Amino acid sequence: GAVVSQHPSRVICKSGTSVKIECRSLDFQATTMFWYRQFPKQSLMLMATSNEGSKATYEQGVEKDKFLINHASLTLSTLTVTSAHPEDSSFYICSAITPGSSYEQYFGPGTRLTVT
Amino acid sequence: AQKITQTQPGMFVQEKEAVTLDCTYDTSDPSYGLFWYKQPSSGEMIFLIYQGSYDQQNATEGRYSLNFQKARKSANLVISASQLGDSAMYFCAMREGLRNTDKLIFGTGTRLQVFP
Repeated sequence: GAVVSQHPSRVICKSGTSVKIECRSLDFQATTMFWYRQFPKQSLMLMATSNEGSKATYEQGVEKDKFLINHASLTLSTLTVTSAHPEDSSFYICSAITPGSSYEQYFGPGTRLTVT
Repeated sequence: AQKITQTQPGMFVQEKEAVTLDCTYDTSDPSYGLFWYKQPSSGEMIFLIYQGSYDQQNATEGRYSLNFQKARKSANLVISASQLGDSAMYFCAMREGLRNTDKLIFGTGTRLQVFP
């Protein structure tokens, strides 16, 4: 149980375009989802916390107008990178929690974004 | 100040031997949780073990154990009987607070390589 999927697993886009990444909880309802970014050979950095039906909470230094997060249902959160630049190229990972879990976050497999 | 410190960028261990990965943390919150995750080259984050700040005993999960020394603020991961499949990045993480909605802060990771 507690499976989280992400789509796509890899995406290449041109500078200036937008790309959407989906995060789904497959077998549970996720009231809260987290979005992380990981640059090569670096750690995971939390970008934002999204709660179903409300606005996402962004970490300091993360541009909310550039990284649009929508948590429209209890099983789906999306991250849209708008007007992508090469420096946005990174590994994006989501995680989800369920009210029944005491501590664990369930991570998706990640999406590798390359902006050319 | 760094909240989570992993001082070993890389570690080598021979198959079937035990290895300890170091992690120290910094918090003034009396309620916190400590986590270890494994990240293979494919990128997914695999939960290994959890220790709560009020837990009296060190956590164990199969071949993984967490050496929790609260006064020293350390939470080292011990992997016994290493296997070739253990080769991966290992991240220590902390959550300040005990709610699963509280965010995780990750260390910089240790790359473990197991050789035959």
